[in-house]
Amino acid sequence: SQQGEEDPQALSIQEGENATMNCSYKTSINNLQWYRQNSGRGLVHLILIRSNEREKHSGRLRVTLDTSKKSSSLLITASRAADTASYFCATDPLGAGGTSYGKLTFGQGTILTVHP
Amino acid sequence: DGGITQSPKYLFRKEGQNVTLSCEQNLNHDAMYWYRQDPGQGLRLIYYSQIVNDFQKGDIAEGYSVSREKKESFPLTVTSAQKNPTAFYLCASSIEGFYSPLHFGNGTRLTVT
Repeated sequence: SQQGEEDPQALSIQEGENATMNCSYKTSINNLQWYRQNSGRGLVHLILIRSNEREKHSGRLRVTLDTSKKSSSLLITASRAADTASYFCATDPLGAGGTSYGKLTFGQGTILTVHP
Repeated sequence: DGGITQSPKYLFRKEGQNVTLSCEQNLNHDAMYWYRQDPGQGLRLIYYSQIVNDFQKGDIAEGYSVSREKKESFPLTVTSAQKNPTAFYLCASSIEGFYSPLHFGNGTRLTVT
């Protein structure tokens, strides 16, 4: 089963609105990363947040992490048509004893469509 | 410009044939990875390599093979043993394994008929 699961599966908004995507995961993590993928292309890294961090910002992006709820959210403010893409969260899960499995596990993604 | 180059962008093969996908990086990264993406799905890890001449199986390694003879190159061979090889294949690299961001190539779309 997926370690990270995004919600919603698809999101459609108007330009200028904010977009919020959520990611839930099952086991403790070392870090959580968000990536963006334009259709037919590779993924582009957006933000990495470590397990001891609660919030990070990068331009119009804001990521929060709640380790007690095993969830993260990605907020894109003042969205643009160029933000249309799929967004994935990826986790580096920890095994028993707090050691990393050494794998980055991706969710199924949220498809964001921003209408001009 | 530093980056990861995957070639070719599209690849067509007949069932029963082995095929090798190329991945080259000039970022001087130690770690390299191969992921598979199916329509509407997330990425699944096939193989990864932390250093030259060493690699580990990911979650779906069966039917695939890799080599890491040079730091810059991490080719993936899709063998005839892979039951459902048609997919989008993505190569990535990072400075220090999964503790740092992954840099991705633009993928190879493999179609096997």
